[in-house]
Amino acid sequence: AQTVTQSQPEMSVQEAETVTLSCTYDTSESDYYLFWYKQPPSRQMILVIRQEAYKQQNATENRFSVNFQKAAKSFSLKISDSQLGDAAMYFCAYRSAGRGGSEKLVFGKGMKLTVNP
Amino acid sequence: KAGVTQTPRYLIKTRGQQVTLSCSPISGHRSVSWYQQTPGQGLQFLFEYFSETQRNKGNFPGRFSGRQFSNSRSEMNVSTLELGDSALYLCASSFSGTVNEKLFFGSGTQLSVL
Repeated sequence: AQTVTQSQPEMSVQEAETVTLSCTYDTSESDYYLFWYKQPPSRQMILVIRQEAYKQQNATENRFSVNFQKAAKSFSLKISDSQLGDAAMYFCAYRSAGRGGSEKLVFGKGMKLTVNP
Repeated sequence: KAGVTQTPRYLIKTRGQQVTLSCSPISGHRSVSWYQQTPGQGLQFLFEYFSETQRNKGNFPGRFSGRQFSNSRSEMNVSTLELGDSALYLCASSFSGTVNEKLFFGSGTQLSVL
C-alpha cells in the first residue's frame, strides 16, 4: 500500500518570504500523480499543484513550485513571496495512475502553515 | 457554475443513531468520492461512485454505505453511530473520476457523535 509522510506538523514564514514544505511517499508503482492541497479554515480542499510522475520537469503554478525527486520519493512544495492568504493546512497526496479510473487519493497527515505579517 | 455542495454543514447525533449526508456535485460531473477527516487518522478514502455504481471502496466497516442517484447527487449513510465516527466528511467530484482529472471538493459536513 502507498503511504505519504509529512514530517513537519507546523511551520511559519514571514510574509513575502519563501517557505518549503516537505513530503515523502512510498510506492512500488512507476506511474502515479502527486498533489499538494490547501485546506483553509473554510475546510474546502483546494488543489495547489499537481505533478505527474512520468514528467521529469517540476510543476509550477505562479508562486508555487515543486521539487520532485522520483528516485528519492520526495515531493516538496515551495511557496515564494508568501502571502497572508497562504495560511492554511497543506496536504500532500498520492494517486495511482491505476486502471484508468476511480483511484483514491492517499493523503499525508498535513502541515499547518502560519504566515506572519 | 456552482461548486460541490454538501449538506448539512454541521450535524450532532448520539451513539447508536444513524445519519445521512448529502453531496451535490458540480453540474456535469458524474464521479463522486467521499473522504473522512479526523485529527488522528487524517484523511481516509471511503468510497467512489460513478453513474450510480460504486467503483471503489476504502477500508471502512459495513456501517458506512453510500449511493448515487441518476442526477449524480450522492448520499452516504452511517448506521449505529460510534463516538469514533465524529469527523469531517468531505466529498469530491470530477467529470469521470479518471486520475488526470482535477477533483473539486466541498466544504464538508462536520459530524459530532455524543
